[in-house]
Amino acid sequence: DVKVTQSSRYLVKRTGEKVFLECVQDMDHENMFWYRQDPGLGLRLIYFSYDVKMKEKGDIPEGYSVSREKKERFSLILESASTNQTSMYLCASSFPPQYEQYFGPGTRLTVT
Amino acid sequence: AQSVTQLGSHVSVSEGALVLLRCNYSSSVPPYLFWYVQYPNQGLQLLLKYTSAATLVKGINGFEAEFKKSETSFHLTKPSAHMSDAAEYFCAVISNRDDKIIFGKGTRLHILP
Repeated sequence: DVKVTQSSRYLVKRTGEKVFLECVQDMDHENMFWYRQDPGLGLRLIYFSYDVKMKEKGDIPEGYSVSREKKERFSLILESASTNQTSMYLCASSFPPQYEQYFGPGTRLTVT
Repeated sequence: AQSVTQLGSHVSVSEGALVLLRCNYSSSVPPYLFWYVQYPNQGLQLLLKYTSAATLVKGINGFEAEFKKSETSFHLTKPSAHMSDAAEYFCAVISNRDDKIIFGKGTRLHILP
């Protein structure tokens, strides 16, 4: 069964902290994505990766970075967390010929 | 540039009534289209997808959607709503041109007893 897991379901961090969100997929997918979801704004793409060590900026990359050292793992990094980064973060993966994305359960991050 | 518009951020239907969630897209090339569902505190789950085969696409949980090129629409329907259908629904489009998926802003479906 297809599976995307995220390291935490709920996370509370303080302003200025460095935050790591981890995502692991077990489907050997080449593509991986990070989104943030906010009420009324839908899903917005932060970063994506087509292959190991490759990354591309999405629509809202400011304040974020990513790392993909292994095919199955894609990490989102908040270098210095701010209150406006309080949000639900969703990771997804896909295999190019099929296009559909498989999502993890999400991490609800609160920055205080 | 491609885009997706979902009409209505909230839709309420009575249990047993028809569910109709609207989605219109713009794409300069034939698109792939998707509907996803998100239950509370969960990630998104694929309901169904259109990939230029049959225009009427059947998905999970009794949902279906019809691709209408002339109307640039891909509305989601279910003949009889169930309480368990209460969730947020997202329409999405992907263009062959750049392979980026674009999500609509979502429609929250409320089921009235």
